[in-house]
Amino acid sequence: SQTIHQWPATLVQPVGSPLSLECTVEGTSNPNLYWYRQAAGRGLQLLFYSVGIGQISSEVPQNLSASRPQDRQFILSSKKLLLSDSGFYLCAWSVRHNTEAFFGQGTRLTVV
Amino acid sequence: AQSVTQPDIHITVSEGASLELRCNYSYGATPYLFWYVQSPGQGLQLLLKYFSGDTLVQGIKGFEAEFKRSQSSFNLRKPSVHWSDAAEYFCAVVYNNAGNMLTFGGGTRLMVKP
Repeated sequence: SQTIHQWPATLVQPVGSPLSLECTVEGTSNPNLYWYRQAAGRGLQLLFYSVGIGQISSEVPQNLSASRPQDRQFILSSKKLLLSDSGFYLCAWSVRHNTEAFFGQGTRLTVV
Repeated sequence: AQSVTQPDIHITVSEGASLELRCNYSYGATPYLFWYVQSPGQGLQLLLKYFSGDTLVQGIKGFEAEFKRSQSSFNLRKPSVHWSDAAEYFCAVVYNNAGNMLTFGGGTRLMVKP
């Protein structure tokens, strides 16, 4: 069966520091991969999606970037964090763009 | 652009009472519809999905949802709510157009009174 791992679960980082969140999927090949952000009391905002290795699409211009160095690995990064980057970050995967997505457990990022 | 509206931000029901969470989507051909549940500090878990066929779909944890094309709605229901159902619920839609991505509603937070 397929599983998705996301880490770390929580992270407290100072303003201006770099960020790297990692997500890996097991049990499937060539998945669509997604990074969402969920601000406090708000819905899910799609940040990035990827349909294959090295293929990244950005939905919202921001201080973050994403990379997909391997088929089942998706990384969310920032060179310099802002206070506004605080939130709950969720990685997800799907078989195709028009099927259900399966989510990781999320990373709570607090920028101080 | 496609959109999903969940009109109720918060809902409180008594344990054992019935529940209906509303979801409306922007009109489009062949919507694929989903309901997810999120417990505090956790990821989203898929409750049920609708692709085609029978408009009443059954999901996990005793939930069901009904697709009504004429009303552009996909409301989630449960006949008797348990305290463990307290969580946030998200409706989502995607269309079959190439490049179309899953779009989520703003969520409804469900509180259950003992």
